[in-house]
Amino acid sequence: EAGVTQFPSHSVIEKGQTVTLRCDPISGHDNLYWYRRVMGKEIKFLLHFVKESKQDESGMPNNRFLAERTGGTYSTLKVQPAELEDSGVYFCASSQVRGLGNEQFFGPGTRLTVL
Amino acid sequence: DAKTTQPTSMDCAEGRAANLPCNHSTISGNEYVYWYRQIHSQGPQYIIHGLKNNETNEMASLIITEDRKSSTLILPHATLRDTAVYYCIVRVGFQKLVFGTGTRLLVSP
Repeated sequence: EAGVTQFPSHSVIEKGQTVTLRCDPISGHDNLYWYRRVMGKEIKFLLHFVKESKQDESGMPNNRFLAERTGGTYSTLKVQPAELEDSGVYFCASSQVRGLGNEQFFGPGTRLTVL
Repeated sequence: DAKTTQPTSMDCAEGRAANLPCNHSTISGNEYVYWYRQIHSQGPQYIIHGLKNNETNEMASLIITEDRKSSTLILPHATLRDTAVYYCIVRVGFQKLVFGTGTRLLVSP
């Protein structure tokens, strides 16, 4: 079974441009999470989808970030316009809906560099 | 989310057991203990989780004290590929994972 996949693996853009990151969760996983690690900092939560609904978006840094999950399958994270401080690695994770103990499985991440 | 405390770094000889401690003295009754690791810049990798009882899988064992205020992750026969940052996280349900700074484990030949 395929794991969580993310596209692209790397993206280099200039300040002010727009970038869209994509995450394909493990098939059948209703929970989808976005995290990011900026240089030298800890991995931070961005938001959580349950199917197509945003369950928790408390970690979204500002309104330049827009996450969607139309149809409850794959998700996109758009940064518009990108700023230098948005550089980092963006991770996506997914999990099943079962019980109180459910593990999240992470993708390989998208490394975003804003010049 | 309950806070966890882990040593900043640990060393282990290849082939020996690596025992990584974690303190979570404010853990709630329904919070699970999770362990993840991150190798280089890869995505965090799930290792194991537990509530009260000790757990074992193909990767590791998790020992949780009876009062649940601390736990230990055991890698029974560490290899060079186990060099990574290990994160101990407590959470319940589908909550977000809150990553701290973790323990940097260095496995040496």
